[in-house]
Amino acid sequence: EVQVVESGGGLVQPGGSLRLSCAASGFTFSDHYMDWVRQAPGKGLEWVGRSRNKANNYLSEYGASVKGRFTISRDDSKNSLYLQMNSLKTEDTAVYYCAARIAAPAPEYWGQGILVTVSS
Amino acid sequence: DIVMIQSPDSLAVSLGERATINCKSSQSVLYSSNNNNYLAWYQQKSGQPPKLLIYWASTRESGVPDRFSGSGSGTDFTLTISSLQAEDVAVYYCQQYYIAPYTFGQGTKVEIK
Repeated sequence: EVQVVESGGGLVQPGGSLRLSCAASGFTFSDHYMDWVRQAPGKGLEWVGRSRNKANNYLSEYGASVKGRFTISRDDSKNSLYLQMNSLKTEDTAVYYCAARIAAPAPEYWGQGILVTVSS
Repeated sequence: DIVMIQSPDSLAVSLGERATINCKSSQSVLYSSNNNNYLAWYQQKSGQPPKLLIYWASTRESGVPDRFSGSGSGTDFTLTISSLQAEDVAVYYCQQYYIAPYTFGQGTKVEIK
């Protein structure tokens, strides 16, 4: 059974840093693309970024609002995806979802999400 | 960036009736070399993560009821729920995965009339 589980969320001050983790299981992690998507309270979905698979040299892509501040990485030996968030702003407050693209060309397996609150 | 605009923002439909949601992209998401539209639809129920319903604009994800269908090509797409059920109350999003950033529409809230 495919599972993705996010961790590492919490409260952080503006300007601070936080690293989210996503533990994946039930599939060959290195073969698949992984996405981060966020949702601010009461708002819609915003694509944060993507890590391509080993065959595509783990290329990472980012949304405009996080480019230069957020970094996606992965450790295939641990079946884990990471989101390093630096220079956090209050507008980064959101539930962050990790999602796996397995058989479909779009994210099909989503975690339950983890809340990040940026506030003083 | 490709901008995705959904209409309407919300709609109320009677049980058993048809619900139609539109999604328009600011540029074509049709890849001519494979004739595929890089467009997906998601359903998000309250307090839950999104669920992939449709990809390639019209291919239903495994396990999705056949009352959900997608259509359209190029820049104009539609998600249709042919006979609305109580469990279909949710917010629906379109997303283009043609070119990064892979943008979402703003969402359409579907309720029971």
